[in-house]
Amino acid sequence: QVQLQESGPGLVKPSETLSLTCTVSGGFISSYFWSWIRQPPGKGLEWIGYFYHSGGSSYNPSLKSRVTISIDTSKNQFSLRLTSVTAADTAVYYCARQIPMIVPRTGGAFDIWGQGTTVTVSS
Amino acid sequence: QSVLTQPPSVSGAPGQRVTISCTGSSSNIGAGYVVHWYQQLPGTAPKLLISGNTNRPSGVPDRFSGSKSGTSASLAITGLQAEDEADYYCQSYDSSLSASYVFGTGTKVTVL
Repeated sequence: QVQLQESGPGLVKPSETLSLTCTVSGGFISSYFWSWIRQPPGKGLEWIGYFYHSGGSSYNPSLKSRVTISIDTSKNQFSLRLTSVTAADTAVYYCARQIPMIVPRTGGAFDIWGQGTTVTVSS
Repeated sequence: QSVLTQPPSVSGAPGQRVTISCTGSSSNIGAGYVVHWYQQLPGTAPKLLISGNTNRPSGVPDRFSGSKSGTSASLAITGLQAEDEADYYCQSYDSSLSASYVFGTGTKVTVL
């Protein structure tokens, strides 16, 4: 059974770079898209972007200029970098497996989620 | 600001039926993109509840059902139980200039 686990600093200073890693266990990083999603305190969910094993990526236009998602297949991990953070980037960050859109009916769904990690942006 | 609108809250007594609407537009639900639903219990990660408008993943009770019509979708919970108290989110794809996967605004279900 595939499981995801986020890791990284819980506190980041304003203007610095947020870096998180998601470790995939119980399966391999292939045939799926690997996404990051965040949830500010008391608010809803926001898709950040995805990367897939053949090297493609897609990002939320509102964050595209600051976001990079990458994959390390040798470690079965994928990572998020978000630059120039502000207090508005304070959130619980989730990594998730996304079913490719081309899959009938279920395409686009996030079917497996990590437990989430809280990141606070503060000096 | 989300392009998929849900009511902030719905409530019902145990055993009752509640529905949650997800209203979109011609660039997302109305364009034919499928809708997925997630349940988020307090303090936990979201869990996929309904995929592809109507399909329940293995392990999801059959009292949860989804539907879609035009530019909207709905989630119904029949035989409401105390453990259903949670936040629920719809999700789809939006093909507007800001093409992106989008979530609904979220609905808090309270069991009275």
